[in-house]
Amino acid sequence: EAAVTQSPRSKVAVTGGKVTLSCHQTNNHDYMYWYRQDTGHGLRLIHYSYVADSTEKGDIPDGYKASRPSQENFSLILELASLSQTAVYFCASSSLGGYAEQFFGPGTRLTVL
Amino acid sequence: GDSVTQTEGQVTVSESKSLIINCTYSTTSIAYPNLFWYVRYPGEGLQLLLKVITAGQKGSSRGFEATYNKETTSFHLQKASVQESDSAVYYCALGDLPNYNVLYFGSGTKLTVEP
Repeated sequence: EAAVTQSPRSKVAVTGGKVTLSCHQTNNHDYMYWYRQDTGHGLRLIHYSYVADSTEKGDIPDGYKASRPSQENFSLILELASLSQTAVYFCASSSLGGYAEQFFGPGTRLTVL
Repeated sequence: GDSVTQTEGQVTVSESKSLIINCTYSTTSIAYPNLFWYVRYPGEGLQLLLKVITAGQKGSSRGFEATYNKETTSFHLQKASVQESDSAVYYCALGDLPNYNVLYFGSGTKLTVEP
């Protein structure tokens, strides 16, 4: 069965610190995505990737970097975490094709203090 | 740009009653977008509930259905008789040109089904 896992599941970080969120998929999918969700808002796309060693900006990339070292792994990096980056982060994967279903991980709750 | 609007943040329905969750969309593309409903159960990631990629068509899954209405730009989710196990957060989403793989999500509607 398709699986997307995220680590950590929750994290408390300090303002100005570096945070790395990791995502791993066993779906053999080309596309991977990072979204954030704030209370009362929908999921918003931060970065995505359709091939290893390449990433694309989504709607809200500022303050975030992404890394896709292999087809299976996709990381989200906050070099200088800020209070405004407190949110739930979701990773997803999908096969190539515009009608493809996205498979989501369980989410990471990040709190920046 | 594209956007999806879900007007109800929370909905409470008694078991066996009917349900409707509203979703409207806006797009600047000349093409018709693909429309989706995703559901998130407690402690889990979002999962696809149903999708419709052709205007005028209806999608259905697990007793839920939604019709793609291009005239009213709506994609409301309906179920005739809800169960407690349907309690979850429901998200409407669309995929559009230039990249159908990039989805735009609504803010979600939390459904609570009371026994």
